[in-house]
Amino acid sequence: KAGVTQTPRYLIKTRGQQVTLSCSPISGHRSVSWYQQTPGQGLQFLFEYFSETQRNKGNFPGRFSGRQFSNSRSEMNVSTLELGDSALYLCASSYGQGNTEAFFGQGTRLTVV
Amino acid sequence: KQEVTQIPAALSVPEGENLVLNCSFTDSAIYNLQWFRQDPGKGLTSLLLIQSSQREQTSGRLNASLDKSSGRSTLYIAASQPGDSATYLCAVVWSPGGTSYGKLTFGQGTILTVHP
Repeated sequence: KAGVTQTPRYLIKTRGQQVTLSCSPISGHRSVSWYQQTPGQGLQFLFEYFSETQRNKGNFPGRFSGRQFSNSRSEMNVSTLELGDSALYLCASSYGQGNTEAFFGQGTRLTVV
Repeated sequence: KQEVTQIPAALSVPEGENLVLNCSFTDSAIYNLQWFRQDPGKGLTSLLLIQSSQREQTSGRLNASLDKSSGRSTLYIAASQPGDSATYLCAVVWSPGGTSYGKLTFGQGTILTVHP
């Protein structure tokens, strides 16, 4: 059974640009959630999608957005990048109801210069 | 405010020692608690999931316990090995009204070093 796949693994962007990250969940999982990990703040919740609907949202500015497609794949977009957006972005998938054990991808390392 | 705290922040032990990592949470109305391991620069690997109705879970040399009334969970690692060196994170899903599915709140982690 394939795990959670995140692409790309590494990205370097310039301030002011936008970026799109992709996450393919484990087959059969309908929930995808996104997290930002930085040395100073640790792991912080961005948002969660379940069956194409955003079910939960963390305390991040509107520059951070996401969506989920009918095949449960999810994308996260960050517009007008800032230096402080440099982080490891992780996505997790789960069944989303009942059994909510979360499985994580390897992450996308975003560096903003 | 719902928060998760892990103590200690770092732990260094000799190989073969049994050890305990601690996790505390501020609100006992949890849905489940999950322990993860993270190697440097990598994603998180799920170790154990404890549902709110359970008291403990075991997998190999790992045993996790849950005490909701005191807001605590412990991860017990038996006969530690150098390969156990990693950051260990606990995360809670709260369930006020069942709307917190999929939202994990993490502690800051415990950096474990097991030296030969």
